[in-house]
Amino acid sequence: DIQLAQSPSFLSASVGDRVTFTCRASQGITSSLAWYQHRPGKAPKLLIYAASTLQSGVPSRFSGSGSGTEFTLTISSLQPEDLATYYCQQFDSYPVTFGPGTKVDIK
Amino acid sequence: QVQLVQSGAEVKKPGASVKVSCKASNYTFTNYPITWVRQVPGQGLEWVGWMNTYNGVTNYAQKLQGRVSMTTDTSTSTAYMELRSLRSDDTAVYYCARDQYNSGWYYLDYWGQGTLVTVSS
Repeated sequence: DIQLAQSPSFLSASVGDRVTFTCRASQGITSSLAWYQHRPGKAPKLLIYAASTLQSGVPSRFSGSGSGTEFTLTISSLQPEDLATYYCQQFDSYPVTFGPGTKVDIK
Repeated sequence: QVQLVQSGAEVKKPGASVKVSCKASNYTFTNYPITWVRQVPGQGLEWVGWMNTYNGVTNYAQKLQGRVSMTTDTSTSTAYMELRSLRSDDTAVYYCARDQYNSGWYYLDYWGQGTLVTVSS
């Protein structure tokens, strides 16, 4: 199985900050990676697919990059509604796997 | 607007079975597979399995093989996930999600609201 490691596991930042978190795959997955935002009590929401393609309707402050084994998700200007846990997911091969998540807190 | 509406919360005893439904609307149900994902309290997201809603082909997480079944009723555009021989560590919120395939890339673009399954004696 392909393992995904996310760092940091927890991040606290202020409104307006630029934040970046990382997802590393245990083997190359080309660009078969998606990012989801999971707010407490809500369903996960797709942000990015194919590592860097912004899902329709997602604010442009979110961006993704990377390929192979290392990927990043960046929020260019953190907003209060961005309080959530962010998960990466690989679709390169079955079983599909998720990273353990990065929890974002607003200072 | 695409919607996936799941059945309500369930409380089950260890050893029992649970069947969660996921009713799709506003798209052609058989054109998109359905994936099930769960979140154990305090933990991350875990892939449960996948079903091709057109031909019934399934792919389950190895740790749940033999206890999980995914089915559909295409007449009502509803997907089902049944989990048998429930254990306390199956307590989780179960989500269904629509699989999208776009230009060679897969992702889960719409999600149900989640169904809490509590396993407790």
